[in-house]
Amino acid sequence: DQQVKQNSPSLSVQEGRISILNCDYTNSMFDYFLWYKKYPAEGPTFLISISSIKDKNEDGRFTVFLNKSAKHLSLHIVPSQPGDSAVYFCAASSRAGGTSYGKLTFGQGTILTVHP
Amino acid sequence: DSGVTQTPKHLITATGQRVTLRCSPRSGDLSVYWYQQSLDQGLQFLIQYYNGEERAKGNILERFSAQQFPDLHSELNLSSLELGDSALYFCASSVGITGELFFGEGSRLTVL
Repeated sequence: DQQVKQNSPSLSVQEGRISILNCDYTNSMFDYFLWYKKYPAEGPTFLISISSIKDKNEDGRFTVFLNKSAKHLSLHIVPSQPGDSAVYFCAASSRAGGTSYGKLTFGQGTILTVHP
Repeated sequence: DSGVTQTPKHLITATGQRVTLRCSPRSGDLSVYWYQQSLDQGLQFLIQYYNGEERAKGNILERFSAQQFPDLHSELNLSSLELGDSALYFCASSVGITGELFFGEGSRLTVL
């Protein structure tokens, strides 16, 4: 039972254009969502997060949008740069039952390639 | 550099054996998390410790155990190893109980 899904295994974008990575979730108890980026031979690096009380959060070139009714979130990178080429993981968490927000459920990841 | 240190980086062992993976969290971080990344399962939460006490548990096998010591470093013990335990094991830390985790580079375990 995959509660967090990233249906696109890969995405290829031209430098300077927008990259849009998508993520769907099924568990309505999730109330905190994050995006992580991973380079080869490194651990995941936190990028940006959003609480379920918001529908948008922006940090520089990165914006995360949350559509609770559709159980969908997306990460927009504008403008995309070659250094953004990495695997991007969507993750979700819940404080229900007193659990920790650090108990993350990850999607399978999307490989983003930004061409110069 | 996330500030989280994991040792060893690579480990090759045989079925039935026992191994210990070590993690030193970022300075000041009280929470330590263990995640397993395998090819077919992706990144899976195993267990979390907060200031020495178990805080949350995922689908961690009974053959696996972990602890966090007074100096806040953590160890993940994997015993009676099976081929399917081959994976990348990540440790992460955070100041409190947020989801903004800082991951180490991982320990790659190969069971032959």
